[in-house]
Amino acid sequence: GDSVTQMEGPVTLSEEACLTINCTYTATGYPSLFWYVQYPGEGLQLLLKATKADDKGSNKGFEATYRKETTSFHLEKGSVQVSDSAVYFCALSDYGNNRLAFGKGNQVVVIP
Amino acid sequence: AAGVIQSPRHLIKEKRETATLKCYPIPRHDTVYWYQQGPGQDPQFLISFYEKMQSDKGSIPDRFSAQQFSDYHSELNMSSLELGDSALYFCASSLGQGGNEQFFGPGTRLTVL
Repeated sequence: GDSVTQMEGPVTLSEEACLTINCTYTATGYPSLFWYVQYPGEGLQLLLKATKADDKGSNKGFEATYRKETTSFHLEKGSVQVSDSAVYFCALSDYGNNRLAFGKGNQVVVIP
Repeated sequence: AAGVIQSPRHLIKEKRETATLKCYPIPRHDTVYWYQQGPGQDPQFLISFYEKMQSDKGSIPDRFSAQQFSDYHSELNMSSLELGDSALYFCASSLGQGGNEQFFGPGTRLTVL
């Protein structure tokens, strides 16, 4: 079935550092790809999305490019802030199967 | 803009009791999804409805049932609660299907004692 793999473990970095969170996927069709963010005690918020190969999603300084050849959708931000501290989930939704399949999530902690 | 509403936000139940969670989708959204997120886990898809009909079913226990009503709100009914049912339950809604963006509610935190 469809699945998403995120890099292991939490990510701790200093303010203004560069952030990269790796995400790869397995899907039988042509999925849409998403990054969701979850702040402490809150629900899931869509951060960005891409619906076809080579699309780049971007929002709030975050970017991710849909790479079909490497089945990846890595999240990047050039300069993080303390307010970016949250859990980030990569997810996919196949056209014929609308459920979202999530990765395990990565806790990001930004230190002042 | 109106968002997805879930009630209650917090619920405490004893083992073997029943619980009903409610979800009110964004106006004009016709598709509702339910997800369960255990402590420190990723959300797991339970079930979805499109135009009041079940459209997809995931890892939902037989003790759970759900439906979507004529006003598009949905209810998740959980019976014979177990300690392992303690989790955050999210509802999401979308306009149509086909990989359209799902908007999530704030979740209901269920604690089973």
